[in-house]
Amino acid sequence: DTEVTQTPKHLVMGMTNKKSLKCEQHMGHRAMYWYKQKAKKPPELMFVYSYEKLSINESVPSRFSPECPNSSLLNLHLHALQPEDSALYLCASSQEAVYEQYFGPGTRLTVT
Amino acid sequence: EDKVVQSPLSLVVHEGDTVTLNCSYEVTNFRSLLWYKQEKKAPTFLFMLTSSGIEKKSGRLSSILDKKELFSILNITATQTGDSAVYLCASFPNTDKLIFGTGTRLQVFP
Repeated sequence: DTEVTQTPKHLVMGMTNKKSLKCEQHMGHRAMYWYKQKAKKPPELMFVYSYEKLSINESVPSRFSPECPNSSLLNLHLHALQPEDSALYLCASSQEAVYEQYFGPGTRLTVT
Repeated sequence: EDKVVQSPLSLVVHEGDTVTLNCSYEVTNFRSLLWYKQEKKAPTFLFMLTSSGIEKKSGRLSSILDKKELFSILNITATQTGDSAVYLCASFPNTDKLIFGTGTRLQVFP
């Protein structure tokens, strides 16, 4: 089973809202990722967690705040987003950081 | 700067045709190259290649890596409309960051 689940599937939020995206995997993977993808562009890495510790932050604005409560869960907390943050947010996991990554279905975020 | 370049950017074929997608890379301390298929939502993992000259196969799809010339190809034989997607190539340099190419958009018409 190579399933990564994400909730919600769609999210519409105003610029003053606070919301969270959730990601879960039960494959025993020790690395988890957040990506942002705009239309007709490849996924753009935001954060990497390896063994529940943040190992890469790609200079993401502080209005995006990742959290890894345990090895199966990854959250992305959103606050005071801008309309240009509207995108597909993908979570992925891999056995370890240099192995193939398996992606979840994504959360389509719209900021109004 | 690490980069992955894919060609062509888009391709239109008819069912039954064979297609070859190209990926060239320039990454520091190359470790592996990966291929993904992306339809409407999440990229789906196809292959990971680490050694030159060893073909990986899955049904009608196959891929091979040339570490001397720094490229990989993805072949799809007897294409079907369900093969229509964006195919992404990505490479691991000496960091944990996967470097993606811009993708090849394949459209297969009946």
